[in-house]
Amino acid sequence: DSGVTQTPKHLITATGQRVTLRCSPRSGDLSVYWYQQSLDQGLQFLIQYYNGEERAKGNILERFSAQQFPDLHSELNLSSLELGDSALYFCASSEGGVGLAGVEQYFGPGTRLTVT
Amino acid sequence: KNEVEQSPQNLTAQEGEFITINCSYSVGISALHWLQQHPGGGIVSLFMLSSGKKKHGRLIATINIQEKHSSLHITASHPRDSAVYICAVNAGGTSYGKLTFGQGTILTVHP
Repeated sequence: DSGVTQTPKHLITATGQRVTLRCSPRSGDLSVYWYQQSLDQGLQFLIQYYNGEERAKGNILERFSAQQFPDLHSELNLSSLELGDSALYFCASSEGGVGLAGVEQYFGPGTRLTVT
Repeated sequence: KNEVEQSPQNLTAQEGEFITINCSYSVGISALHWLQQHPGGGIVSLFMLSSGKKKHGRLIATINIQEKHSSLHITASHPRDSAVYICAVNAGGTSYGKLTFGQGTILTVHP
């Protein structure tokens, strides 16, 4: 158990809908990262938050947004869903993540999103 | 060309065999990670390396910064080692902590 929790585990929804994925980092970790894993693209970085502020952005679509709250949990909002958004969405956390050094990341169990 | 390339993509072994998975990268990095993903989907961090070699049980990871290459070795492989092994890097510069991933190596160990 990494200490990172994600809810829900599975989500099935229809095209055009909006969903929210939730992540609670390990106790004491200030950085939260969101990653998407799809069959054709593999694992891709979406976005990073550090202590409530956006720190880095990757291949995140405009239809997707995220935030980190004062209690450090994070939510990833996916709207106007398309079939191609079906994927595993992972959250990870780390103690740091704002400098130039590598940081060990702890992954949550993931949310499997199926868009029908 | 991907920034992180792994080989082989698929690997089948018999229990007890010595296994090597390779990772090459084309960018400057601050650290390289080896991750394990089991069929259930969960991802576990095995190693984080910025130089040299690390060992944990039957797993050994090495990195050659000059050659931009890392290897993950599994000694005395066991069916429970069957998983996807993923190489990932923290790129240098202002990349903060985000990871760039290889495509993964699917390892199957037969009893």
